Amino acid sequence: EPEVTQTPSHQVTQMGQEVILRCVPISNHLYFYWYRQILGQKVEFLVSFYNNEISEKSEIFDDQFSVERPDGSNFTLKIRSTKLEDSAMYFCASSEGTGLVSLFGDGTRLSIL
Amino acid sequence: ELKVEQNPLFLSMQEGKNYTIYCNYSTTSDRLYWYRQDPGKSLESLFVLLSNGAVKQEGRLMASLDTKARLSTLHITAAVHDLSATYFCAGRTGANSKLTFGKGITLSVRP
Repeated sequence: EPEVTQTPSHQVTQMGQEVILRCVPISNHLYFYWYRQILGQKVEFLVSFYNNEISEKSEIFDDQFSVERPDGSNFTLKIRSTKLEDSAMYFCASSEGTGLVSLFGDGTRLSIL
Repeated sequence: ELKVEQNPLFLSMQEGKNYTIYCNYSTTSDRLYWYRQDPGKSLESLFVLLSNGAVKQEGRLMASLDTKARLSTLHITAAVHDLSATYFCAGRTGANSKLTFGKGITLSVRP
């Protein structure tokens, strides 16, 4: 069964450093998303991406965040200068475009020291 | 802006008994989703409810949607330990727009 793949599974980074989280969405999917979940809290939307551009973003997704689909298969989330409060589980999701299910990857646990 | 509420945040269930959990949402939601999350794991899609009166069943779980009341319910029949997890509902205001999640309900099934 096709799945969304995320790497790494755990990333530990010093505050102020840049981090790139990687995702390989399902190959025939058209819509891509990043969500985050701070430990013990609900899942929060960050950004959606369609047709090589951002289609929607939340207020969390400020200038420190960026997304890219560099090669037609990977979908990356970059945090330019990490803060302690960026520590969370980051989930990538993709949808085929019918508006049905968004399938989620296993997540990257980001720990900022 | 869509808001999704789930109550309570935690529910202890006795094995073999039936339970219902609820999800309310604040404005028109195009569709309603239920996801399951085990500790430290990803979100597993359980149900997508597309229209008023929609009912879907999978094993011991049955989800329904009442768009007039802006309410979705997840009914658990004869709870078993394997159902212990956190259950999130999420709404969506457009076909491929963002999912807005509730806080989740953590279910714990005791013998």
